[in-house]
Amino acid sequence: DAGVTQTPRHEVAEKGQTIILKCEPVSGHNDLFWYRQTKIQGLELLSYFRSKSLMEDGGAFKDRFKAEMLNSSFSTLKIQPTEPKDSAVYLCASSLDGSQNTLYFGAGTRLSVL
Amino acid sequence: AQKVTQTQTSISVVEKTTVTMDCVYETRDSSYFLFWYKQTASGEIVFLIRQDSYKKENATVGHYSLNFQKPKSSIGLIITATQIEDSAVYFCAMREGDTNAYKVIFGKGTHLHVLP
Repeated sequence: DAGVTQTPRHEVAEKGQTIILKCEPVSGHNDLFWYRQTKIQGLELLSYFRSKSLMEDGGAFKDRFKAEMLNSSFSTLKIQPTEPKDSAVYLCASSLDGSQNTLYFGAGTRLSVL
Repeated sequence: AQKVTQTQTSISVVEKTTVTMDCVYETRDSSYFLFWYKQTASGEIVFLIRQDSYKKENATVGHYSLNFQKPKSSIGLIITATQIEDSAVYFCAMREGDTNAYKVIFGKGTHLHVLP
């Protein structure tokens, strides 16, 4: 079985640009998570979907970050407009339904905003 | 509010010894699950071990075990007979179970250096 696939692996953007990151979860997984990872803040939850429904929108990340789950096998994270402080690794993870289930992570997208 | 805290930023140990990494959590739920994940130098994050809140026995998988102290809201990860390849960042995570929103919150991680 394929794991979680994230594209692109690297993204360089100019300040003010719009970027879209993509994620394909493990087939059959109902839960999908977007995290931002930085050395200072660690893993911060951006969005959480259950069966395509948005359950958590990440509070502080609402204004410029928007995650969507167009179907059960594809999700996007849009950052608009980008700022230099958005430079980080963006991770997508999926799991089976239920709180006892573990997360499977993608390899991440490293975003650099100039 | 849900919170996970790892106070140890970095730990160094000599190969073949035992190391314990600390984690404390906050939750209002009566049912929850605690996880440890490992992030290698390549960036890959993998699941290691899980503790169910309703189980008294400490979970064990290979040379990983947990020290679950529920009254202290503490879940320590113990690695015995450490190997060089155990060098990585270890994250503690919690997933609440009482509500329908099973979001997963992570601690900031502990960087383990295993020295020869």
